[in-house]
Amino acid sequence: SAVISQKPSRDICQRGTSLTIQCQVDSQVTMMFWYRQQPGQSLTLIATANQGSEATYESGFVIDKFPISRPNLTFSTLTVSNMSPEDSSIYLCSRRAGPSTDTQYFGPGTRLTVL
Amino acid sequence: AQSVTQLDSHVSVSEGTPVLLRCNYSSSYSPSLFWYVQHPNKGLQLLLKYTSAATLVKGINGFEAEFKKSETSFHLTKPSAHMSDAAEYFCVVSDRDSSYKLIFGSGTRLLVRP
Repeated sequence: SAVISQKPSRDICQRGTSLTIQCQVDSQVTMMFWYRQQPGQSLTLIATANQGSEATYESGFVIDKFPISRPNLTFSTLTVSNMSPEDSSIYLCSRRAGPSTDTQYFGPGTRLTVL
Repeated sequence: AQSVTQLDSHVSVSEGTPVLLRCNYSSSYSPSLFWYVQHPNKGLQLLLKYTSAATLVKGINGFEAEFKKSETSFHLTKPSAHMSDAAEYFCVVSDRDSSYKLIFGSGTRLLVRP
């Protein structure tokens, strides 16, 4: 298993503001992943955070809305910018279980409510 | 492209009775398949993973899943449900054509009645 932490665990924000979510993993990894889980929905990959290069965004997600930082091999942040109520979701980060496996371990998630 | 379809959005069972959560997959090659569980207000926990070593995969907490290529299915079962099994369950496939990204099914909410 893994020890992955996220801060904050939950937040309530006003529309038009931004929130930065932090993710700390327990081992050095090249890639970390950010997912969004909208209310009652499944998980959707937002982007892959690559250490030493720009994040890779999935279709429908853009850097201006979800800027990602990856300052070292165990830490990443995701910012949700200029928030609207439609951004209310759980945001989860993850890492792979090892360099040659596709298994991922997930953090506990950040529950965001935008008013 | 790979995909998974979870056939039931909700499943309700009585405590002590068997659990069956259904998942069908679509893949042009032998896939990596997973089941994850999400308890309320918790993150995702890996239950089990299929990697072609054995068609019957045993996971944590008494769960197991059987890979059936002829039926393109990977159903999750447990002989006897416990109240603590109430959660959301996700069937997931790894997309080898897309850097092994995980593709999630829509989820099945398991309700366990006392």
